[in-house]
Amino acid sequence: DIQMTQSPSTLSASVGDRVTITCRASQSVSNWLAWYQQKPGKAPKLLIYEASSLKTGVPSRFSGSASGTEFTLTISSLQPDDFATYYCQQYSTFWKTFGQGTKVEIK
Amino acid sequence: EVQLVESGGGLFQPGGSLRLSCAASGFTFSNFWMAWVRQAPGKGLEWVATINQDESEKYYMDSVKGRFTVSRDNGKNSLYLQMNSLRAEDTAVYYCVREHILYYVFDIWGRGTMVTISS
Repeated sequence: DIQMTQSPSTLSASVGDRVTITCRASQSVSNWLAWYQQKPGKAPKLLIYEASSLKTGVPSRFSGSASGTEFTLTISSLQPDDFATYYCQQYSTFWKTFGQGTKVEIK
Repeated sequence: EVQLVESGGGLFQPGGSLRLSCAASGFTFSNFWMAWVRQAPGKGLEWVATINQDESEKYYMDSVKGRFTVSRDNGKNSLYLQMNSLRAEDTAVYYCVREHILYYVFDIWGRGTMVTISS
């Protein structure tokens, strides 16, 4: 199975900060990489697919990029609604795997 | 409104069986691949199983292969997960998810149903 490693596990930031979360795949997944946001007690929500395509309705402060097997989720200016846990997921094979998650906390 | 609603969760004994159901509405269910994803308490997301539109293709994570069976009834707009030989490590919230018709990502999620395996 393809392993997905996210860093950091926890991130403390303030409203207005630029935030970057990294996800590394154990082998090539091309650009078959998605990002999800999950708030406590709620189901995850899709933010980005194909590494950099923003789902309709997702604020433009969210962006994704790719370089080889390393992927990045950036929030350009953190808003109160963005404090949550973020997961990457590869879907290059039928055995789709998630990263372990990055919790974005209020500093 | 596009919606997925899971049911069937609860407290079950190790070694036992249960069947989860997912009722879909607001979209043409028979056109979509569907999947189950779980999340153990305080842990991350874990893909469990995927099924295609006509049940000709099914895929499972290694730890549930041979114990869990994913199925669907397109006439009832429903997805199922039969879970046998239950283990404590199967304790989790189980989410029913829809795969996007073009991009293969999980674009619609249900609210989840909690399954607890304990004696």
